[in-house]
Amino acid sequence: EPEVTQTPSHQVTQMGQEVILRCVPISNHLYFYWYRQILGQKVEFLVSFYNNEISEKSEIFDDQFSVERPDGSNFTLKIRSTKLEDSAMYFCASSVSPSGVKTQYFGPGTRLLVL
Amino acid sequence: DQQVKQNSPSLSVQEGRISILNCDYTNSMFDYFLWYKKYPAEGPTFLISISSIKDKNEDGRFTVFLNKSAKHLSLHIVPSQPGDSAVYFCAAVKAAGNKLTFGGGTRVLVKP
Repeated sequence: EPEVTQTPSHQVTQMGQEVILRCVPISNHLYFYWYRQILGQKVEFLVSFYNNEISEKSEIFDDQFSVERPDGSNFTLKIRSTKLEDSAMYFCASSVSPSGVKTQYFGPGTRLLVL
Repeated sequence: DQQVKQNSPSLSVQEGRISILNCDYTNSMFDYFLWYKKYPAEGPTFLISISSIKDKNEDGRFTVFLNKSAKHLSLHIVPSQPGDSAVYFCAAVKAAGNKLTFGGGTRVLVKP
């Protein structure tokens, strides 16, 4: 069964460093998403991406964040200068379409710890 | 953001019995609702969904009920199995968007 994959599973970084989280969405899916879950809090939407551009983003997704689909399979989230409060589980998701059946399928997550 | 709420943080049920999980929403623009199951250190796994044009959707042991007038949905798991022990999230999507808004989750423990 096709699944979303994410690398790395864990990332530890120093405050102020750049991190890149990687995702391989399900191959026939057209929409891609990043969410995060800070420990003890809700899963929060960060950004959605379609046709090589951002289709929607949350207030959390400020200028420190960027997304890219550098090739036909990878989807990345970059945090330019990490802060302590960026420590969270980051989940990538993908869906076939945003309309009709809107099911999003999630990857296993990357646990980011900023020290 | 309290647009989607799961008021029961935890639920304990005996194996073989029914688990009922509840979810309330406030935004009438939501038109699609999903339930996800999550184990520790894993991503949310899709369980079942329902469009706002329906009031019930069933898939095996899982049934989701939607009461639009009450802005309430519920997930029934029958019969409950020990492997169902996990955190369950409801999520909602607006008609014109694709962003999932999640509830806070309900931790289910199924006792053998």
